[in-house]
Amino acid sequence: GESVGLHLPTLSVQEGDNSIINCAYSNSASDYFIWYKQESGKGPQFIIDIRSNMDKRQGQRVTVLLNKTVKHLSLQIAATQPGDSAVYFCAENNYGQNFVFGPGTRLSVLP
Amino acid sequence: KAGVTQTPRYLIKTRGQQVTLSCSPISGHRSVSWYQQTPGQGLQFLFEYFSETQRNKGNFPGRFSGRQFSNSRSEMNVSTLELGDSALYLCASSLDIAGRLGREETQYFGPGTRLLVL
Repeated sequence: GESVGLHLPTLSVQEGDNSIINCAYSNSASDYFIWYKQESGKGPQFIIDIRSNMDKRQGQRVTVLLNKTVKHLSLQIAATQPGDSAVYFCAENNYGQNFVFGPGTRLSVLP
Repeated sequence: KAGVTQTPRYLIKTRGQQVTLSCSPISGHRSVSWYQQTPGQGLQFLFEYFSETQRNKGNFPGRFSGRQFSNSRSEMNVSTLELGDSALYLCASSLDIAGRLGREETQYFGPGTRLLVL
């Protein structure tokens, strides 16, 4: 399928290593954040979310960290697998407004 | 529970034509948002509908319009197509995007409609 983004920042990690994908968000009033994974030819798939009253939230093999002081969000993927190769987007929402998406990061898992 | 569905999946049009894309949200979801995704601009918000009313609108020209039906299904229309309208058009649904607690705000995306304008 068509590339989601031809000039996205790319993170290459070895299979089995941990991955950390970063995102700087723009609105200090944003109170809800989502990480999405998008594989080629598919729509974005929900991974994990976090509200602004939390600093950390864990899911299955994924952890999201929120630093409101510097408006920074990160997604940690433990024991990265080939199936994790995709483009990852962060999205922010400010109570009742539309979601704003980051530019995305391409994760490439090396065998 | 079935996910968000979009039809058609692929579409080829020529400049000047118009196109209508359809989105069926997850059952029970009342909010439907539309996005345009291109390699150069990323994911850009078009508009959001809730209870048949447009509640939020992005920065797109009036050629882009939409509507929502009483069953929450939504359509978007692009008139007088331009080459730059070639993109993946994504629909996302949520229970209610208006700032409710917990997972009610979470948006779930469909597979998209890939539009090519020649």
